[in-house]
Amino acid sequence: EAGVAQSPRYKIIEKRQSVAFWCNPISGHATLYWYQQILGQGPKLLIQFQNNGVVDDSQLPKDRFSAERLKGVDSTLKIQPAKLEDSAVYLCASSSGGGGPHYEQYFGPGTRLTVT
Amino acid sequence: AQSVAQPEDQVNVAEGNPLTVKCTYSVSGNPYLFWYVQYPNRGLQFLLKYITGDNLVKGSYGFEAEFNKSQTSFHLKKPSALVSDSALYFCAVRAYNTNAGKSTFGDGTTLTVKP
Repeated sequence: EAGVAQSPRYKIIEKRQSVAFWCNPISGHATLYWYQQILGQGPKLLIQFQNNGVVDDSQLPKDRFSAERLKGVDSTLKIQPAKLEDSAVYLCASSSGGGGPHYEQYFGPGTRLTVT
Repeated sequence: AQSVAQPEDQVNVAEGNPLTVKCTYSVSGNPYLFWYVQYPNRGLQFLLKYITGDNLVKGSYGFEAEFNKSQTSFHLKKPSALVSDSALYFCAVRAYNTNAGKSTFGDGTTLTVKP
């Protein structure tokens, strides 16, 4: 089966600019996650969707980050305006089985964002 | 709040020797525990998980992990390391007590296997 797709793979922007990332999960996976992975750290959950509803966005900086998952399939994550500290790899993941905590996640290759 | 600690940033072993990558966790309630591996320029790949039952779980590529509830640990092991096992390994915990079950990851351990 096809894996989780993400684009772009790399993005360089200046601070205060906006950027958007796209993710297409594994077919049939109802749960979709966005993570931020700063160099030298583990992934940090930004937002979790179950179909097109938000399950957890407690760690999403809502003043500048937004995400949507229209039609319960692919998703976009947007940053506006970007700050230097947003430089990181943004990972998208999906899981089956209603997103219960015992299901493993399947990760995309990530988007490496550099903010200058 | 739940947390994961991977006390070693780096683990070095010789090919053919056994390897252990350590993980301890803190969570409210019963945990679901996972190991993922990350190769350069690639996303994380699932290795194995502990849900319930047998404390020793087996996963991909000959890896196994032992759940120890009293020590709140979930160490990753392999009897005989390969050079191709060299990668970044992450331990993660999810809580049993909520359906959302937010994942918390450790900061990773770089495993280097030398020929």
